[in-house]
Amino acid sequence: EPEVTQTPSHQVTQMGQEVILRCVPISNHLYFYWYRQILGQKVEFLVSFYNNEISEKSEIFDDQFSVERPDGSNFTLKIRSTKLEDSAMYFCASGSLAGARTDTQYFGPGTRLTVL
Amino acid sequence: AQSVTQLGSHVSVSEGALVLLRCNYSSSVPPYLFWYVQYPNQGLQLLLKYTTGATLVKGINGFEAEFKKSETSFHLTKPSAHMSDAAEYFCAVSVPGNDMRFGAGTRLTVKP
Repeated sequence: EPEVTQTPSHQVTQMGQEVILRCVPISNHLYFYWYRQILGQKVEFLVSFYNNEISEKSEIFDDQFSVERPDGSNFTLKIRSTKLEDSAMYFCASGSLAGARTDTQYFGPGTRLTVL
Repeated sequence: AQSVTQLGSHVSVSEGALVLLRCNYSSSVPPYLFWYVQYPNQGLQLLLKYTTGATLVKGINGFEAEFKKSETSFHLTKPSAHMSDAAEYFCAVSVPGNDMRFGAGTRLTVKP
C-alpha cells in the first residue's frame, strides 16, 4: 500500500541553523501538508500546498518557514534559523482530492527535530 | 471556527472491556470528523471518518464512532479492548481550506 515517507527520522541541530525536512507524498496525491506536534501537545496545522503554491498557512508558519516541491516527488519544509521552541515532531501528509474537506489525509511517520 | 475537544487525556481499560473515547466538536459549517491513531514512534493512521450519510461509522480494528449532531459529539468505541489497541487517539475536524484541527489526544492504556 502506498505510504508517505519522511526523512530523516530524527534531526538534531544547533539554534540558529537551517534545517530541511523532507517528505515523499503518495504519488498521485495533489494536496500536501505539514503539521507539527510539540511534545505532549496537540498536532497543529502549519501549511497546505497545492498546485505549487501555498493554499493555507497558520499563524505558526511565519517567515522562518518555507515549503517547496522541488522535483515533483519531494515536498520539503525549511526552517531558516531554528529556535529552541521549534523542537517538535513534524508530520507531512498528503491527500488526493483537491479542494475536498472530506479527503483523508495520509500521514508520514514524522521527523523529530531537536534544537539545542 | 472549527475545533474539537477530547475529554480525558488518559483512559485505562482492562483487556476485553469496552473502550469509549470522547470527542466533542464545534463547527460553523457541516462538520467532517476524523479519528486517527498514533502508535509509539509512528505517524497518524486513519481509523475512520464521518462526512455525510450514515451517522454510525465503522473503521479499522473493530472501532466505530457515532456522529450525534444534537450532542455535537463523535465518540469512538470498541466493544472489546485488545492489548494492541494501546496508543494515542486523536479526534479531528476538517475545516474549510482543507487543513485539520486536532484534539489534544487521548492516551489509551490496556491492562492485562
